[in-house]
Amino acid sequence: AQSVTQLDSQVPVFEEAPVELRCNYSSSVSVYLFWYVQYPNQGLQLLLKYLSGSTLVKGINGFEAEFNKSQTSFHLRKPSVHISDTAEYFCAVKKAGTALIFGKGTTLSVSS
Amino acid sequence: EAEVAQSPRYKITEKSQAVAFWCDPISGHATLYWYRQILGQGPELLVQFQDESVVDDSQLPKDRFSAERLKGVDSTLKIQPAELGDSAMYLCASSLRPSSGTGREQYFGPGTRLTVT
Repeated sequence: AQSVTQLDSQVPVFEEAPVELRCNYSSSVSVYLFWYVQYPNQGLQLLLKYLSGSTLVKGINGFEAEFNKSQTSFHLRKPSVHISDTAEYFCAVKKAGTALIFGKGTTLSVSS
Repeated sequence: EAEVAQSPRYKITEKSQAVAFWCDPISGHATLYWYRQILGQGPELLVQFQDESVVDDSQLPKDRFSAERLKGVDSTLKIQPAELGDSAMYLCASSLRPSSGTGREQYFGPGTRLTVT
């Protein structure tokens, strides 16, 4: 079975600072990896995904993530955050044809 | 841009009452998912449909929850009777039919926030 661990429940940062949200996963088979963002009382929006190929994945809103198979990690990064990036971020894994398995989420709080 | 539609957006009900949620996936999406998200946690799968057939309902509390997708398009999730612990966000998602070796992106609706009093 697959599982996801988001290592930080809350990450406070100042505007224009860099940020990294950490995600580790476990699986006995090959999986696909995703990061979603959720704003209050809204559904989830896909930020980026890793299916295969280049281990550095670029997504929307200036976010990127790096797949590290040896460390079973998929950390999300942004070089300079904005107030509008304040939200809940979820890392997720899945096998082909199955549902997503989510981590518990990381609350990113950006202040001025 | 096509979106997953859900209704109602908010629902307040008393415990022991029946409640139903509706989801209309993106046109052409054969796979439909219902997730439950308890406050402060990540979503967890309740049921997955492929067309009108249930693919995975292993986490669905079948004594009180039911889900259907009769014509393979829209779907209804029902709870009867509702319990206090059912208070959560119920999210619907859809995706294209899975192809071998691919990870199809899931598109999420806005969710239904259920409060059981």
